[in-house]
Amino acid sequence: DQQVKQNSPSLSVQEGRISILNCDYTNSMFDYFLWYKKYPAEGPTFLISISSIKDKNEDGRFTVFLNKSAKHLSLHIVPSQPGDSAVYFCAARRGNRDDKIIFGKGTRLHILP
Amino acid sequence: NAGVTQTPKFRVLKTGQSMTLLCAQDMNHEYMYWYRQDPGMGLRLIHYSVGEGTTAKGEVPDGYNVSRLKKQNFLLGLESAAPSQTSVYFCASSYAGGQRIYGYTFGSGTRLTVV
Repeated sequence: DQQVKQNSPSLSVQEGRISILNCDYTNSMFDYFLWYKKYPAEGPTFLISISSIKDKNEDGRFTVFLNKSAKHLSLHIVPSQPGDSAVYFCAARRGNRDDKIIFGKGTRLHILP
Repeated sequence: NAGVTQTPKFRVLKTGQSMTLLCAQDMNHEYMYWYRQDPGMGLRLIHYSVGEGTTAKGEVPDGYNVSRLKKQNFLLGLESAAPSQTSVYFCASSYAGGQRIYGYTFGSGTRLTVV
Protein backbone atom coordinates (compact mmCIF):
# COMPACT_ATOMS: atom_id res chain seq x y z
CA ASP A 1 0.00 0.00 0.00
CA GLN A 2 1.57 3.22 -1.16
CA GLN A 3 1.41 5.82 1.61
CA VAL A 4 2.99 8.64 -0.38
CA LYS A 5 1.79 9.04 -3.94
CA GLN A 6 3.13 11.13 -6.77
CA ASN A 7 0.75 10.44 -9.60
CA SER A 8 2.58 12.39 -12.28
CA PRO A 9 5.73 10.58 -13.46
CA SER A 10 6.83 13.64 -15.43
CA LEU A 11 6.10 17.29 -15.95
CA SER A 12 7.32 19.81 -18.53
CA VAL A 13 7.29 23.53 -17.82
CA GLN A 14 8.51 26.53 -19.76
CA GLU A 15 11.47 28.38 -18.28
CA GLY A 16 10.29 31.34 -16.22
CA ARG A 17 6.84 29.88 -15.55
CA ILE A 18 5.59 28.21 -12.36
CA SER A 19 6.21 24.50 -11.77
CA ILE A 20 3.71 22.74 -9.52
CA LEU A 21 4.49 19.25 -8.29
CA ASN A 22 1.78 17.37 -6.43
CA CYS A 23 1.80 14.70 -3.77
CA ASP A 24 -0.93 12.84 -1.90
CA TYR A 25 -0.62 10.79 1.26
CA THR A 26 -2.80 8.35 3.13
CA ASN A 27 -1.38 8.18 6.65
CA SER A 28 -2.79 10.84 8.98
CA MET A 29 0.04 10.11 11.46
CA PHE A 30 2.64 11.84 9.29
CA ASP A 31 3.95 14.92 11.07
CA TYR A 32 6.58 16.18 8.65
CA PHE A 33 6.65 16.34 4.89
CA LEU A 34 9.75 16.85 2.80
CA TRP A 35 10.77 17.37 -0.79
CA TYR A 36 13.99 16.05 -2.22
CA LYS A 37 15.62 16.84 -5.52
CA LYS A 38 17.73 14.36 -7.44
CA TYR A 39 20.02 14.86 -10.40
CA PRO A 40 21.22 11.88 -12.48
CA ALA A 41 24.13 9.96 -10.94
CA GLU A 42 23.78 11.84 -7.66
CA GLY A 43 22.02 11.13 -4.40
CA PRO A 44 18.82 12.96 -3.47
CA THR A 45 19.30 16.28 -1.70
CA PHE A 46 16.96 17.88 0.78
CA LEU A 47 15.01 20.81 -0.66
CA ILE A 48 12.30 21.99 1.72
CA SER A 49 10.08 20.64 4.45
CA ILE A 50 6.86 21.50 6.24
CA SER A 51 5.43 20.56 9.58
CA SER A 52 1.91 19.18 9.71
CA ILE A 53 0.90 22.10 11.93
CA LYS A 54 1.59 24.57 9.14
CA ASP A 55 -0.02 25.07 5.74
CA LYS A 56 2.79 26.87 3.95
CA ASN A 57 6.55 27.08 4.02
CA GLU A 58 8.62 29.23 1.72
CA ASP A 59 12.31 29.23 0.87
CA GLY A 60 13.34 31.49 -1.98
CA ARG A 61 11.79 30.26 -5.20
CA PHE A 62 10.37 27.16 -3.49
CA THR A 63 7.10 27.04 -1.59
CA VAL A 64 5.41 23.98 -0.18
CA PHE A 65 1.69 24.00 0.57
CA LEU A 66 -0.02 21.48 2.81
CA ASN A 67 -3.75 20.72 2.81
CA LYS A 68 -4.28 18.31 5.68
CA SER A 69 -7.99 17.81 5.12
CA ALA A 70 -7.28 16.66 1.58
CA LYS A 71 -4.06 14.87 2.55
CA HIS A 72 -2.35 16.73 -0.24
CA LEU A 73 0.80 18.78 -0.58
CA SER A 74 2.36 20.61 -3.45
CA LEU A 75 5.70 22.16 -4.31
CA HIS A 76 5.69 25.40 -6.25
CA ILE A 77 8.82 26.63 -8.03
CA VAL A 78 8.67 30.23 -9.23
CA PRO A 79 10.21 31.13 -11.59
CA SER A 80 11.36 27.82 -13.04
CA GLN A 81 14.99 27.69 -14.15
CA PRO A 82 16.93 25.20 -16.30
CA GLY A 83 18.78 23.92 -13.23
CA ASP A 84 15.46 22.85 -11.75
CA SER A 85 15.27 19.96 -14.24
CA ALA A 86 15.54 16.94 -11.97
CA VAL A 87 13.51 14.23 -10.28
CA TYR A 88 11.58 15.46 -7.25
CA PHE A 89 10.62 13.10 -4.48
CA CYS A 90 7.88 13.82 -2.03
CA ALA A 91 8.48 12.22 1.36
CA ALA A 92 6.81 11.98 4.74
CA ARG A 93 7.65 10.79 8.22
CA ARG A 94 5.71 9.82 11.31
CA GLY A 95 6.08 11.41 14.69
CA ASN A 96 7.94 8.85 16.78
CA ARG A 97 11.66 8.85 17.52
CA ASP A 98 12.56 5.85 15.40
CA ASP A 99 10.48 7.01 12.46
CA LYS A 100 11.62 6.61 8.90
CA ILE A 101 11.05 8.68 5.81
CA ILE A 102 8.70 7.18 3.26
CA PHE A 103 9.23 8.33 -0.30
CA GLY A 104 6.95 8.69 -3.26
CA LYS A 105 7.97 7.37 -6.66
CA GLY A 106 9.15 10.75 -7.88
CA THR A 107 8.21 13.23 -10.60
CA ARG A 108 10.67 14.11 -13.34
CA LEU A 109 10.56 17.85 -14.04
CA HIS A 110 11.74 19.13 -17.44
CA ILE A 111 12.28 22.87 -17.78
CA LEU A 112 11.92 23.84 -21.41
CA PRO A 113 13.92 26.74 -22.88
CA ASN B 1 33.26 18.13 3.27
CA ALA B 2 32.74 14.39 2.71
CA GLY B 3 29.26 13.89 4.19
CA VAL B 4 28.15 10.39 3.19
CA THR B 5 30.55 8.32 1.13
CA GLN B 6 29.58 5.10 -0.63
CA THR B 7 31.99 2.56 -2.06
CA PRO B 8 32.11 1.18 -4.66
CA LYS B 9 30.30 3.44 -7.12
CA PHE B 10 29.77 0.70 -9.69
CA ARG B 11 29.87 -3.07 -9.57
CA VAL B 12 28.90 -5.97 -11.78
CA LEU B 13 28.26 -9.29 -10.06
CA LYS B 14 27.45 -12.72 -11.33
CA THR B 15 24.40 -14.48 -9.95
CA GLY B 16 25.28 -16.19 -6.70
CA GLN B 17 28.29 -14.02 -5.88
CA SER B 18 28.47 -12.06 -2.66
CA MET B 19 29.57 -8.52 -1.96
CA THR B 20 29.49 -5.77 0.64
CA LEU B 21 28.61 -2.15 0.05
CA LEU B 22 30.22 0.29 2.42
CA CYS B 23 28.71 3.52 3.68
CA ALA B 24 30.67 5.98 5.78
CA GLN B 25 29.50 9.28 7.27
CA ASP B 26 31.53 11.92 9.07
CA MET B 27 28.68 13.98 10.55
CA ASN B 28 28.28 12.01 13.76
CA HIS B 29 24.75 11.06 12.76
CA GLU B 30 22.97 8.52 14.90
CA TYR B 31 20.76 7.07 12.19
CA MET B 32 21.79 5.39 8.97
CA TYR B 33 19.76 3.85 6.16
CA TRP B 34 20.06 1.79 3.02
CA TYR B 35 17.64 2.43 0.17
CA ARG B 36 17.34 1.01 -3.30
CA GLN B 37 16.01 2.92 -6.26
CA ASP B 38 14.39 1.14 -9.17
CA PRO B 39 12.65 2.65 -12.21
CA GLY B 40 9.05 3.56 -11.40
CA MET B 41 9.45 2.41 -7.79
CA GLY B 42 10.99 5.40 -6.08
CA LEU B 43 13.21 4.87 -3.04
CA ARG B 44 12.51 1.82 -0.93
CA LEU B 45 14.05 1.23 2.47
CA ILE B 46 16.05 -1.99 2.83
CA HIS B 47 17.48 -1.79 6.37
CA TYR B 48 18.26 0.94 8.82
CA SER B 49 20.09 1.55 12.07
CA VAL B 50 19.28 3.90 14.94
CA GLY B 51 22.66 3.56 16.57
CA GLU B 52 25.92 1.64 16.78
CA GLY B 53 25.28 -2.07 17.16
CA THR B 54 21.60 -1.85 16.16
CA THR B 55 19.88 -2.72 12.89
CA ALA B 56 16.28 -3.13 11.77
CA LYS B 57 14.40 -4.26 8.69
CA GLY B 58 12.81 -1.85 6.29
CA GLU B 59 10.36 -2.36 3.50
CA VAL B 60 12.40 -4.73 1.28
CA PRO B 61 14.96 -6.54 3.49
CA ASP B 62 14.97 -10.00 1.88
CA GLY B 63 18.30 -11.05 0.40
CA TYR B 64 20.28 -8.40 2.31
CA ASN B 65 22.09 -8.23 5.62
CA VAL B 66 23.56 -5.21 7.39
CA SER B 67 25.95 -4.41 10.19
CA ARG B 68 26.76 -1.26 12.15
CA LEU B 69 29.83 -2.06 14.21
CA LYS B 70 30.99 1.56 14.26
CA LYS B 71 28.81 4.65 14.43
CA GLN B 72 30.23 6.10 11.24
CA ASN B 73 29.90 2.96 9.08
CA PHE B 74 26.91 1.00 7.80
CA LEU B 75 27.56 -2.08 5.68
CA LEU B 76 25.08 -3.70 3.29
CA GLY B 77 25.77 -7.30 2.34
CA LEU B 78 24.44 -9.47 -0.44
CA GLU B 79 25.20 -13.11 0.36
CA SER B 80 24.02 -14.59 -2.93
CA ALA B 81 23.27 -11.96 -5.53
CA ALA B 82 20.23 -12.31 -7.80
CA PRO B 83 19.31 -10.38 -10.97
CA SER B 84 16.37 -8.87 -9.04
CA GLN B 85 18.94 -7.05 -6.92
CA THR B 86 20.14 -5.04 -9.89
CA SER B 87 19.49 -1.50 -8.69
CA VAL B 88 21.00 1.74 -7.53
CA TYR B 89 21.68 1.65 -3.81
CA PHE B 90 21.71 4.78 -1.68
CA CYS B 91 22.95 5.15 1.83
CA ALA B 92 21.67 8.00 3.99
CA SER B 93 22.22 9.28 7.50
CA SER B 94 20.47 11.67 9.84
CA TYR B 95 20.34 13.04 13.33
CA ALA B 96 17.66 11.68 15.59
CA GLY B 97 14.54 13.42 16.76
CA GLY B 98 14.65 17.18 16.63
CA GLN B 99 16.77 17.43 13.49
CA ARG B 100 14.21 15.63 11.42
CA ILE B 101 13.21 18.75 9.51
CA TYR B 102 16.45 18.51 7.59
CA GLY B 103 15.79 14.95 6.64
CA TYR B 104 18.53 12.74 5.45
CA THR B 105 21.92 13.28 3.88
CA PHE B 106 22.38 10.86 1.02
CA GLY B 107 25.45 9.39 -0.58
CA SER B 108 25.90 9.49 -4.34
CA GLY B 109 24.86 5.89 -4.84
CA THR B 110 26.21 2.51 -5.91
CA ARG B 111 25.03 1.14 -9.23
CA LEU B 112 24.92 -2.64 -8.98
CA THR B 113 24.25 -4.96 -11.89
CA VAL B 114 23.74 -8.68 -11.34
CA VAL B 115 24.10 -10.79 -14.46
